[in-house]
Amino acid sequence: AQSVTQLDSQVPVFEEAPVELRCNYSSSVSVYLFWYVQYPNQGLQLLLKYLSGSTLVKGINGFEAEFNKSQTSFHLRKPSVHISDTAEYFCALYSGGGADGLTFGKGTHLIIQP
Amino acid sequence: EPEVTQTPSHQVTQMGQEVILRCVPISNHLYFYWYRQILGQKVEFLVSFYNNEISEKSEIFDDQFSVERPDGSNFTLKIRSTKLEDSAMYFCASSERRGAWQPQHFGDGTRLSIL
Repeated sequence: AQSVTQLDSQVPVFEEAPVELRCNYSSSVSVYLFWYVQYPNQGLQLLLKYLSGSTLVKGINGFEAEFNKSQTSFHLRKPSVHISDTAEYFCALYSGGGADGLTFGKGTHLIIQP
Repeated sequence: EPEVTQTPSHQVTQMGQEVILRCVPISNHLYFYWYRQILGQKVEFLVSFYNNEISEKSEIFDDQFSVERPDGSNFTLKIRSTKLEDSAMYFCASSERRGAWQPQHFGDGTRLSIL
């Protein structure tokens, strides 16, 4: 069985400050990792994904994430946040091997303070 | 950019009633999914659908649930006799193919409230 843990339910950050949203996963097989963002009253939008290769992946809106297999982590970072980054961020994994569904974390609400 | 669309955005239903949630996946996508998110909890996979049949379903997807692609564009989730615990946000998603290299695109969700 696999699982995704997002330890922080809320992260308040001042505008133009850096941010890191933490994601840890557990799986007995190889995984593919994703970050989705949900803006208020909207659906889940893919931010970035790690499939293979370079462990540092870049996504939309200036976000990046680093896959760390030894620490089973896939933390999301942005060097300078903007008020428009206020949203819910979900980490998810896909294990393949016949499974179709994504396994999601509980989400982290990023709150940007002016 | 093509989108997955879901209707209605909010559905209020009496306990015990049947409800149908509707989704229009992206037109060239072949795999369709339903997820749900109970308030304050994780987004959970319910079911995937391909070639007019269920590909995979989770433990949540019991006999009360069914999915259908009634025509060439719609994909529906039916709950036969709703319970209070079915109150949740339901997300539809679609992908071109199966697998991590084909990301799932999500709709805006339908908020289902059971009274």
